[in-house]
Amino acid sequence: EAGVAQSPRYKIIEKRQSVAFWCNPISGHATLYWYQQILGQGPKLLIQFQNNGVVDDSQLPKDRFSAERLKGVDSTLKIQPAKLEDSAVYLCASTFLAVPTDTQYFGPGTRLTVL
Amino acid sequence: DQQVKQNSPSLSVQEGRISILNCDYTNSMFDYFLWYKKYPAEGPTFLISISSIKDKNEDGRFTVFLNKSAKHLSLHIVPSQPGDSAVYFCAASEDSGYALNFGKGTSLLVTP
Repeated sequence: EAGVAQSPRYKIIEKRQSVAFWCNPISGHATLYWYQQILGQGPKLLIQFQNNGVVDDSQLPKDRFSAERLKGVDSTLKIQPAKLEDSAVYLCASTFLAVPTDTQYFGPGTRLTVL
Repeated sequence: DQQVKQNSPSLSVQEGRISILNCDYTNSMFDYFLWYKKYPAEGPTFLISISSIKDKNEDGRFTVFLNKSAKHLSLHIVPSQPGDSAVYFCAASEDSGYALNFGKGTSLLVTP
């Protein structure tokens, strides 16, 4: 079974530029999560999708971050414009069921460096 | 506001000995707890979990203990192996939500 795929793996941009990350969850997984992991911290949830609907985006900085999950499969996370403090690893995870006890499977992440 | 705390950034253990990783939480609404393991340049992978109705869960070399009154859980690895060297994250969630609240992680090094 293929895991969660993310691209690109690494991205370096200058502040005020825009950037987009892509995630393809495990086939059949209805729930998709985007996390931000700043160096030395644990992952922090940015947004959760159930199929193509948003369940929780309370911690997403909506002035600069946006995310979509068209057709309930792939998802993109965009930052526009980027700030220095956005430097982090962006992790995508997915679960089969929309229940808290379902295991979240993580992709390898995209490491973003903002200069 | 860090609701899940892992106060030991690193731990070094000899191969064959027991590794004990600790985690404290502040939110009394948390009722499901997990440990994730992370190797460099990879995403976290699920290791073991425990619900609040239990105080112990065991899976092979890994055992998680939960002390609800102390809001404390620990992960025991016995015996420790060099391949266990990784960063271990403690995470917790509420029954009413799905978001995982992660600690900052503990870097475990198992030396031969």
